[in-house]
Amino acid sequence: NAGVTQTPKFQVLKTGQSMTLQCAQDMNHEYMSWYRQDPGMGLRLIHYSVGAGITDQGEVPNGYNVSRSTTEDFPLRLLSAAPSQTSVYFCASSYWNGYNEKLFFGSGTQLSVL
Amino acid sequence: AQTVTQSQPEMSVQEAETVTLSCTYDTSESDYYLFWYKQPPSRQMILVIRQEAYKQQNATENRFSVNFQKAAKSFSLKISDSQLGDAAMYFCAYRDHSGGGADGLTFGKGTHLIIQP
Repeated sequence: NAGVTQTPKFQVLKTGQSMTLQCAQDMNHEYMSWYRQDPGMGLRLIHYSVGAGITDQGEVPNGYNVSRSTTEDFPLRLLSAAPSQTSVYFCASSYWNGYNEKLFFGSGTQLSVL
Repeated sequence: AQTVTQSQPEMSVQEAETVTLSCTYDTSESDYYLFWYKQPPSRQMILVIRQEAYKQQNATENRFSVNFQKAAKSFSLKISDSQLGDAAMYFCAYRDHSGGGADGLTFGKGTHLIIQP
């Protein structure tokens, strides 16, 4: 049981390049989400998903794309990287059984856009 | 939209002493959850404590306890008998009582806790 796995852990991009941050969970959680963390800030929600085939925007969705074709995977795509997207990205998954819940975070991806 | 405010960018405490981290939030909801997360230099997000708004009793987890004042919209974290391993960034977070945290958490900007040996 690996929990939430993010790859890569570090990435450097040039402005205008595209890439996909991978996120996978092996806990059969319905809920998955992506956050970004900028220096001196808390985490901010980018996109989230309540199940396979269903995604929605969070607080800061511009410049990012997501899809959820399986329960396990929730990749985050940067379409045309910009320096403003330099940040640490966290993927999270959670379960909810009507009265109890727990959020599991991945270890983060540090992205630098030059 | 909900907001979470942590007014202390940095706090310092002597080892074995007690420290309280402040958090206030703004919401029009009556049912919600509040959290404290710890982020050590490893960057891992670790859940410290969770509070359900409908519960009057303050949550506790070993040396960690909260003072939840619903009317004042205040949610402070008290760490007793501080240890060197408690040194980290601490984030206060809020979410509505929707299923599974589907719409995610709203985080404060964090408090950097320093433990003096």
